[in-house]
Amino acid sequence: GEDVEQSLFLSVREGDSSVINCTYTDSSSTYLYWYKQEPGAGLQLLTYIFSNMDMKQDQRLTVLLNKKDKHLSLRIADTQTGDSAIYFCAESISGGGADGLTFGKGTHLIIQP
Amino acid sequence: GAVVSQHPSWVICKSGTSVKIECRSLDFQATTMFWYRQFPKQSLMLMATSNEGSKATYEQGVEKDKFLINHASLTLSTLTVTSAHPEDSSFYICSAHFPGFPYEQYFGPGTRLTVT
Repeated sequence: GEDVEQSLFLSVREGDSSVINCTYTDSSSTYLYWYKQEPGAGLQLLTYIFSNMDMKQDQRLTVLLNKKDKHLSLRIADTQTGDSAIYFCAESISGGGADGLTFGKGTHLIIQP
Repeated sequence: GAVVSQHPSWVICKSGTSVKIECRSLDFQATTMFWYRQFPKQSLMLMATSNEGSKATYEQGVEKDKFLINHASLTLSTLTVTSAHPEDSSFYICSAHFPGFPYEQYFGPGTRLTVT
């Protein structure tokens, strides 16, 4: 099965919060990431969290990690139309320097006006 | 911020020919670059790790003679798809490890390969 799983679509109204969920299977994952992919652009690193952390907040973004359940979530507060993109959850054992990343299939965030 | 470019952004080639894709780190030196492949509505799949001055490390199931990787300088890695077939049609994305940061990989915009 997939190492990293995400739902494929999420639709939210502009101004609401978006919560994108991800589950992973590798318990030795050291770093977990959220990337954003917009059409025609490269993947953009949004945020990351170390496996020994439970939560990380960065402006409108909040990452929650439940290591016991191997569950990662990304909350985007006050969702804007510019947040419309595909969001990828990814894991790395060594931190992304020595090895590549394992990605989920991506969640397409759709913003309703 | 650090920028990674890819060239070409899209290419169409005939079956049996070879295609070279370039990945460049524009404003930093990258000893390690990665090549991924992305199918429609699928995740990025790591193909290989490219280390400057040494042989690339390929993931299981990736044919090294099919996908030739050369990391000849600290700012350039190339992926050559040899004897391309329609099933090689895909979106190829590279990334470069930004030195000094254990968690940062910068991604190129990708190259769309269509083999007819």
